[in-house]
Amino acid sequence: QKEVEQDPGPLSVPEGAIVSLNCTYSNSAFQYFMWYRQYSRKGPELLMYTYSSGNKEDGRFTAQVDKSSKYISLFIRDSQPSDSATYLCALSLGAGNMLTFGGGTRLMVKP
Amino acid sequence: EPEVTQTPSHQVTQMGQEVILRCVPISNHLYFYWYRQILGQKVEFLVSFYNNEISEKSEIFDDQFSVERPDGSNFTLKIRSTKLEDSAMYFCASSPGQGHQETQYFGPGTRLLVL
Repeated sequence: QKEVEQDPGPLSVPEGAIVSLNCTYSNSAFQYFMWYRQYSRKGPELLMYTYSSGNKEDGRFTAQVDKSSKYISLFIRDSQPSDSATYLCALSLGAGNMLTFGGGTRLMVKP
Repeated sequence: EPEVTQTPSHQVTQMGQEVILRCVPISNHLYFYWYRQILGQKVEFLVSFYNNEISEKSEIFDDQFSVERPDGSNFTLKIRSTKLEDSAMYFCASSPGQGHQETQYFGPGTRLLVL
């Protein structure tokens, strides 16, 4: 069983749609949950960061963590063509520990 | 806004040659990391560095790899004798490492091609 699993997509949606991106994981010891956006051949850009369970909202982005189900989500409201990128979930055991990445979901938002 | 910078952006080298990849982490951060991403694959952890020593490393980070913080700002990754399979994007990252501020910020990467 892979440590962090993510549907690779591609996920294609029309502009203005609500997008749901998800990751599942197997290690219940993960405490920090992050979402990164990566444009082609660029570095991962931090979007959202959550410590432990719960929801966090930042503009059009909402991150959810359900530790009981080992399931994390990123919702994008009012999606824009500029949101087209690969979205990576990344999990960590604690401060200073390595990030374990999912394989990424490629999102395409069509005008 | 402070950011992680990396040089060079691209590096082409012959198999067996040594390469040094350079990074300038965000200035008040305490933890530094190297990751790599082979084309089309996951981002993989290589090594983390704290308080002038390696704090964690992966199986990938074997004796061919080393890291150094030669001064107060730079953080380097050295590959002593490059192999074809070392071709990848190499990302440097840094994090504050204080309390719950576990947010790793990545640089733009160095694309390494080993011929």
